[in-house]
Amino acid sequence: SQTIHQWPATLVQPVGSPLSLECTVEGTSNPNLYWYRQAAGRGLQLLFYSVGIGQISSEVPQNLSASRPQDRQFILSSKKLLLSDSGFYLCAWTGGETQYFGPGTRLLVL
Amino acid sequence: TQLLEQSPQFLSIQEGENLTVYCNSSSVFSSLQWYRQEPGEGPVLLVTVVTGGEVKKLKRLTFQFGDARKDSSLHITAAQPGDTGLYLCAGVISGGSNYKLTFGKGTLLTVNP
Repeated sequence: SQTIHQWPATLVQPVGSPLSLECTVEGTSNPNLYWYRQAAGRGLQLLFYSVGIGQISSEVPQNLSASRPQDRQFILSSKKLLLSDSGFYLCAWTGGETQYFGPGTRLLVL
Repeated sequence: TQLLEQSPQFLSIQEGENLTVYCNSSSVFSSLQWYRQEPGEGPVLLVTVVTGGEVKKLKRLTFQFGDARKDSSLHITAAQPGDTGLYLCAGVISGGSNYKLTFGKGTLLTVNP
């Protein structure tokens, strides 16, 4: 069966510090991978998606970047965090048109 | 512009009551999904509807896809505290990228014992 992991689960970072969130998928190959941000427990905003190694599509201009160094690894990064980067970050992969979500990372920028 | 509008945004009811939440759009969707999300966790898929007019039942939950595939509803009968959560609808826009789901902002449901 497929599983998706995210870490860390919770992160508190000062403004201006760098960020690296990691997502890995097991049990499938060549998945489409996604990063979402969710503010205040509401709707999901798609940040990036990737259909293969090294292929990244950005949905909104922002302070973040994404990379896919391996088939089942997706990384969300920032060089300098802003207060507005706080939120709940979710990684997902697709099986058909259904998206399967990871457990999320809660990021608080102070 | 929000492509998928969900209503109501918040709903607080007593155990045993019935409720309906709505997901509306001016766009046509090739498929539409409903997810439920509990605090601090990722959303979990409840159902996928693909045919206009389709009705699917999952125990006390009934999902309907509009005939024109632009809207959907979720009806819960005899709600229980365990139904509490954020209900999200999401769809693949017909003719759009098959890689992207468009999500609504969700309905936050609280069922009080």
